[in-house]
Amino acid sequence: DSGVTQTPKHLITATGQRVTLRCSPRSGDLSVYWYQQSLDQGLQFLIQYYNGEERAKGNILERFSAQQFPDLHSELNLSSLELGDSALYFCASSKDRGLQPQHFGDGTRLSIL
Amino acid sequence: AQKVTQAQTEISVVEKEDVTLDCVYETRDTTYYLFWYKQPPSGELVFLIRRNSFDEQNEISGRYSWNFQKSTSSFNFTITASQVVDSAVYFCALKTYQGAQKLVFGQGTRLTINP
Repeated sequence: DSGVTQTPKHLITATGQRVTLRCSPRSGDLSVYWYQQSLDQGLQFLIQYYNGEERAKGNILERFSAQQFPDLHSELNLSSLELGDSALYFCASSKDRGLQPQHFGDGTRLSIL
Repeated sequence: AQKVTQAQTEISVVEKEDVTLDCVYETRDTTYYLFWYKQPPSGELVFLIRRNSFDEQNEISGRYSWNFQKSTSSFNFTITASQVVDSAVYFCALKTYQGAQKLVFGQGTRLTINP
């Protein structure tokens, strides 16, 4: 158990819809990262938050947004969903801005029908 | 730009064999970190090891060992006396000290250990 909690584990929805994925980092970790794992793109970094502020952006679509709340949990919002958004979405956390190892949650599997 | 290449897409061996997973990386930065993660069939990503670019000592942890060679930009992972429970997808990843603290992953190697 990594200590990173992601909910829900599975999500099935339709094209055009909007979903919210939630992540609670390990106790004491200030950074939260979001990654997308798909068959064609592999594991891709989406975005990082450190202590409530956006720190780095990767290949995140404009339809996607994230935030980190004062209690350090984070949410990833995906809107206007397309079939290609079907993927496993991972949240990871680390103690600092990024040099410490990132520990991953179990992921949320998103299926778009 | 940073890049990680895991040329072996799939490896299949019989239990108790030794197996080495290759990882080659590219970066212009002089300070960076290399990682290995394991993704078992259940889907979670499990952190295995982190090495920094200044420490080329090989590391052994039980049946696992890692060989870091800066001269060839490689960070290979060997499992000795493999077991069925080692079956998983293994990812090598790179993170540089400067800039975005993101992990750049290789495409992964699917390892199957047959009884």
